[in-house]
Amino acid sequence: GAGVSQSPSNKVTEKGKDVELRCDPISGHTALYWYRQRLGQGLEFLIYFQGNSAPDKSGLPSDRFSAERTGESVSTLTIQRTQQEDSAVYLCASSLVFSAGGPVNEQFFGPGTRLTVL
Amino acid sequence: AQTVTQSQPEMSVQEAETVTLSCTYDTSESNYYLFWYKQPPSRQMILVIRQEAYKQQNATENRFSVNFQKAAKSFSLKISDSQLGDTAMYFCAFQGGAQKLVFGQGTRLTINP
Repeated sequence: GAGVSQSPSNKVTEKGKDVELRCDPISGHTALYWYRQRLGQGLEFLIYFQGNSAPDKSGLPSDRFSAERTGESVSTLTIQRTQQEDSAVYLCASSLVFSAGGPVNEQFFGPGTRLTVL
Repeated sequence: AQTVTQSQPEMSVQEAETVTLSCTYDTSESNYYLFWYKQPPSRQMILVIRQEAYKQQNATENRFSVNFQKAAKSFSLKISDSQLGDTAMYFCAFQGGAQKLVFGQGTRLTINP
């Protein structure tokens, strides 16, 4: 079956503009994650969805960042008034439902969106 | 908060050699999972191997194996008979009670012909 897909693959924008990044998880995966990867760095957690609720938003760096998810499907990460420090690769991952005390389910990653803010 | 540290920014070995990548982590949790991910230039994150903290036996996947030392909070990755296709960034990651993965800064591994 299809893996996690993300669009666009690359996005170049001007400082101050808003951008929307899209993630389509694997069908049936109820958990969805957004991570940010700055150049030469590891991945930083941004937000986690279980279904369409977000129990953990602790990684969102500022109120310019927001995300939503429609049901157990597509998610959109929105960055308002972009700044140059927002330039990074934004990666999305999905996994099967989390069950407390159960085995961890592998997170499958998409190819990412490279965002460049000029 | 959990932290993951990879102290080797870059490593380079010859094809067919064995290489070990280091990772240490800090946590107060007793139940958790550890992972090694590979990221080639395509940016695709690929799971290489995983280890459940409650298991004492070290995980192995073909040419990849780990040395998990729970008391020392150490989780190294050994790649045997290295191949050109192993060239990539390698990330160590921790997952505890919170669902998010906590990543190290990565090790850039180059396999030379």
